[in-house]
Amino acid sequence: EPEVTQTPSHQVTQMGQEVILRCVPISNHLYFYWYRQILGQKVEFLVSFYNNEISEKSEIFDDQFSVERPDGSNFTLKIRSTKLEDSAMYFCASSDRGLSTETQYFGPGTRLLVL
Amino acid sequence: AQSVTQLGSHVSVSEGALVLLRCNYSSSVPPYLFWYVQYPNQGLQLLLKYTTGATLVKGINGFEAEFKKSETSFHLTKPSAHMSDAAEYFCAVTDRGNMLTFGGGTRLMVKP
Repeated sequence: EPEVTQTPSHQVTQMGQEVILRCVPISNHLYFYWYRQILGQKVEFLVSFYNNEISEKSEIFDDQFSVERPDGSNFTLKIRSTKLEDSAMYFCASSDRGLSTETQYFGPGTRLLVL
Repeated sequence: AQSVTQLGSHVSVSEGALVLLRCNYSSSVPPYLFWYVQYPNQGLQLLLKYTTGATLVKGINGFEAEFKKSETSFHLTKPSAHMSDAAEYFCAVTDRGNMLTFGGGTRLMVKP
């Protein structure tokens, strides 16, 4: 069964450093998403992406964040200058279509720790 | 703005007992509702969803949920718990965009 994969599974970085989290969505999917979950808090939407453009983003997704589909298979989330409060589990998801009723398929997550 | 409340961050049941995980939502428009499950070291997996039509929705692994508009609820049930059901369960809602809004999650523990 096709699945979303994410690398790395864990990343530790120093405050102020740039990190890139990588995701390989399901191959025929066209819509891509990033969510995050700070320890003990809810899973929160960050951004959705379609046709090489951001289609929706939350207030969390400020200028420190960017997303890219650098090639036909990868989807990345970059945090330019990490802060302590960026420590969280980051989930990538993908869907076949962008309808509200569409199932989003999630990867296993990348646990980011900012020291 | 839409929101989701899951009552009970931890629920413990005995194997074979009824599972009931509660979810209440608020939404300004008729919502689409989802239940996801997360097993350790895995991603969120869809259990079931309600979009339109029949309000009782059946999902994988014997789970079902009923959309009750008057109660703004979408509680998840399973008649008989199995040890393999131990996981974290997330209720989520979306309206007309594709942004999922999640509840806080409920960790289900199943005792032998």
